[in-house]
Amino acid sequence: NAGVTQTPKFQVLKTGQSMTLQCAQDMNHNSMYWYRQDPGMGLRLIYYSASEGTTDKGEVPNGYNVSRLNKREFSLRLESAAPSQTSVYFCASRKTGASSGNTIYFGEGSWLTVV
Amino acid sequence: GNSVTQMEGPVTLSEEAFLTINCTYTATGYPSLFWYVQYPGEGLQLLLKATKADDKGSNKGFEATYRKETTSFHLEKGSVQVSDSAVYFCALSHRDDKIIFGKGTRLHILP
Repeated sequence: NAGVTQTPKFQVLKTGQSMTLQCAQDMNHNSMYWYRQDPGMGLRLIYYSASEGTTDKGEVPNGYNVSRLNKREFSLRLESAAPSQTSVYFCASRKTGASSGNTIYFGEGSWLTVV
Repeated sequence: GNSVTQMEGPVTLSEEAFLTINCTYTATGYPSLFWYVQYPGEGLQLLLKATKADDKGSNKGFEATYRKETTSFHLEKGSVQVSDSAVYFCALSHRDDKIIFGKGTRLHILP
């Protein structure tokens, strides 16, 4: 099972360049998420999508845009990359419903460096 | 708002030692609580969870009990192994579908 697949795994950008991180899940999950992970900061939610066609801001949305293209795919775009966006990015998905106890599944991460 | 606080690391133990990683939370009502583990170069994966008060989650020798009265979900293992070296995250999930993670605790096990 592929689970959650995100690309690219590694990327180096120059300040001001744009790029899109792609994410797809094959588990028929309603909800998808983008997190960033920084040393000493844990995981911080950038954006999430509770269902196809909806997106909501998380804790640190500035400098990012997202698109929930369909139920499977949720992309994260950096329009004008800044060194502060150097981080490891994780896409995740989860089946949602009446219970808040459903497991969230993560991709393997995308290492982004902005120089 | 909802939040999770876990003990800062790194935590360094010898093999076969007893492990406790503390986690407390702030939330209204009854969130679900999780422990996730991250091995080097990988994404997070579920270790265990509990969805209501007094539930005990367990997996791979790890345990955590959902304590509503102390708003805690401490992770324990009776005898750690070198292969348990990883970063551990406490998390909560509530009605608004967001999942809130703690900052993570890095665990080093020495042979």
